[in-house]
Amino acid sequence: DVKVTQSSRYLVKRTGEKVFLECVQDMDHENMFWYRQDPGLGLRLIYFSYDVKMKEKGDIPEGYSVSREKKERFSLILESASTNQTSMYLCASTSSGRIYEQYFGPGTRLTVT
Amino acid sequence: GENVEQHPSTLSVQEGDSAVIKCTYSDSASNYFPWYKQELGKRPQLIIDIRSNVGEKKDQRIAVTLNKTAKHFSLHITETQPEDSAVYFCAAPSGSARQLTFGSGTQLTVLP
Repeated sequence: DVKVTQSSRYLVKRTGEKVFLECVQDMDHENMFWYRQDPGLGLRLIYFSYDVKMKEKGDIPEGYSVSREKKERFSLILESASTNQTSMYLCASTSSGRIYEQYFGPGTRLTVT
Repeated sequence: GENVEQHPSTLSVQEGDSAVIKCTYSDSASNYFPWYKQELGKRPQLIIDIRSNVGEKKDQRIAVTLNKTAKHFSLHITETQPEDSAVYFCAAPSGSARQLTFGSGTQLTVLP
């Protein structure tokens, strides 16, 4: 069974703080993704990585950065959190050639006050 | 890049009735179309997908149809049950086909 875990289920941060969200997968997947989920907007891709130290911008990368130092771990960084980054953040992973079959983590509900 | 539109945003049906959710896509090169189900408080999970070389695929009470000419695909759920209540997302490959673009989601409520 594929397992994708995220470091926190709930997080409350103040405006201007640096925030780290971590994602770990145990299936040796090459590809990892960070999405944010907002009501009525679906799942929007922030960044993805198809290999260690490789990253590509998704549809809404502004205000975010990522790090992938090890294959199993993909981190999302909010350099200076703002209230409009309050959202549900979902990590996902998949193997190359099966991009359609993404395995999601449980999500982190981030509130920025 | 790919643009995926999904309708309706909310759908209520009586238990036992059918439900249909529709999506359109913009990139004619897209060749596979997955559907995900997200139950309340849980993570999205793949429930079915269709490739561009077939027009329809069934798995028990769910089916997907694809019209490549019109660039739209649909999810059909028959004999709906309360456990079908969830948010459903369609998706299509985008960019270098290394990523998916998701639709905005449909909240399906099955009324007892």
